[in-house]
Amino acid sequence: EAGVAQSPRYKIIEKRQSVAFWCNPISGHATLYWYQQILGQGPKLLIQFQNNGVVDDSQLPKDRFSAERLKGVDSTLKIQPAKLEDSAVYLCASSSTGVAGELFFGEGSRLTVL
Amino acid sequence: SQQGEEDPQALSIQEGENATMNCSYKTSINNLQWYRQNSGRGLVHLILIRSNEREKHSGRLRVTLDTSKKSSSLLITASRAADTASYFCATGFSGNTPLVFGKGTRLSVIA
Repeated sequence: EAGVAQSPRYKIIEKRQSVAFWCNPISGHATLYWYQQILGQGPKLLIQFQNNGVVDDSQLPKDRFSAERLKGVDSTLKIQPAKLEDSAVYLCASSSTGVAGELFFGEGSRLTVL
Repeated sequence: SQQGEEDPQALSIQEGENATMNCSYKTSINNLQWYRQNSGRGLVHLILIRSNEREKHSGRLRVTLDTSKKSSSLLITASRAADTASYFCATGFSGNTPLVFGKGTRLSVIA
């Protein structure tokens, strides 16, 4: 079974530029999550999708971050404009159930903002 | 906000020794999960313990849960160099509420 795919693995941009990350969850997983992990900390939820609907985006900085999952499969997370404090690893995860079950994570996309 | 708090923040042991990590949380939970993260990689699920369970085993892993103290522990027996990683507890709730992760314990196993 293929795992959660993410790209790109690494991205370096200047502040105020934009960046987009892509995630393809495990086939059949209805729930998709984007987490932000700053160096030395645990993952912090940015947004949770159930199929193509948003379940929780309360911690997403909506003035600069946006995410979509138009067909209920893959998802894109965008940051525009980026700030220095956005430097982090962006982890995508999926699960077959939205009820606090096991999460399957991708390898992450490491963003460095200069 | 991060619900779980792992203790210690960092742990260094010799190969063959046991490693114990603790997690404390603040509110009622449906389950508690432990994940491992190797450097530069994604998180990997290790074990899930439900709120009505007290202890669970998986290979060299033993997890306990004390809901009265709002705490859990992860024991890795006979550690190996390959166990070197960060370990995170995550609290799960009922409904669609997503997992909340702690800050993690960095484990170093020295060969």
